[in-house]
Amino acid sequence: GIQVEQSPPDLILQEGANSTLRCNFSDSVNNLQWFHQNPWGQLINLFYIPSGTKQNGRLSATTVATERYSLLYISSSQTTDSGVYFCAVVGEETSGSRLTFGEGTQLTVNP
Amino acid sequence: SAVISQKPSRDICQRGTSLTIQCQVDSQVTMMFWYRQQPGQSLTLIATANQGSEATYESGFVIDKFPISRPNLTFSTLTVSNMSPEDSSIYLCSVWGTEGKSTGELFFGEGSRLTVL
Repeated sequence: GIQVEQSPPDLILQEGANSTLRCNFSDSVNNLQWFHQNPWGQLINLFYIPSGTKQNGRLSATTVATERYSLLYISSSQTTDSGVYFCAVVGEETSGSRLTFGEGTQLTVNP
Repeated sequence: SAVISQKPSRDICQRGTSLTIQCQVDSQVTMMFWYRQQPGQSLTLIATANQGSEATYESGFVIDKFPISRPNLTFSTLTVSNMSPEDSSIYLCSVWGTEGKSTGELFFGEGSRLTVL
């Protein structure tokens, strides 16, 4: 099946710093999403972005489908940005339309 | 989007017992997905629950351990049977938000955090 790799696995920032999280995938995809899992375990949808660029406040994401990667940018980070960021994809060849998750990036933003 | 409610939100269970998790969606959907997240790990798909047919299980998950019901288009249950401490996880229900299409967003319930002693 499709492989999803996220980097870095862990990231520690000072409040106000910017960061870039990366997601590489092994095959063509027809769906790519970014999620934020807060410390209480809730998964929050950030972006649905199988291609192109989107922005939502301090967060933006870019997917270059032909090169099989996606980037999540966090600007002016805040302590509430802490948690785990997951990239998840549905491969074009995937049967059953299931979403495959990467291992996540654990982000800690210190005050 | 889709509004998904799960019950219980958390529970502490004894080894050897079984627990049933409920998932209610605010709209009719063809497929419902059950994921497991073990402590410190990513999400892994357990099975896909289709209304009117048996659930489809992923490799490493079996019906005897994780029986699933799907009585209608808005509701599903997942039972974790004969629990052991290794079953301590967050269990999440999810559905596609755009007319059930995988080219849209997948939405998740709040999760059910199980601790097995």
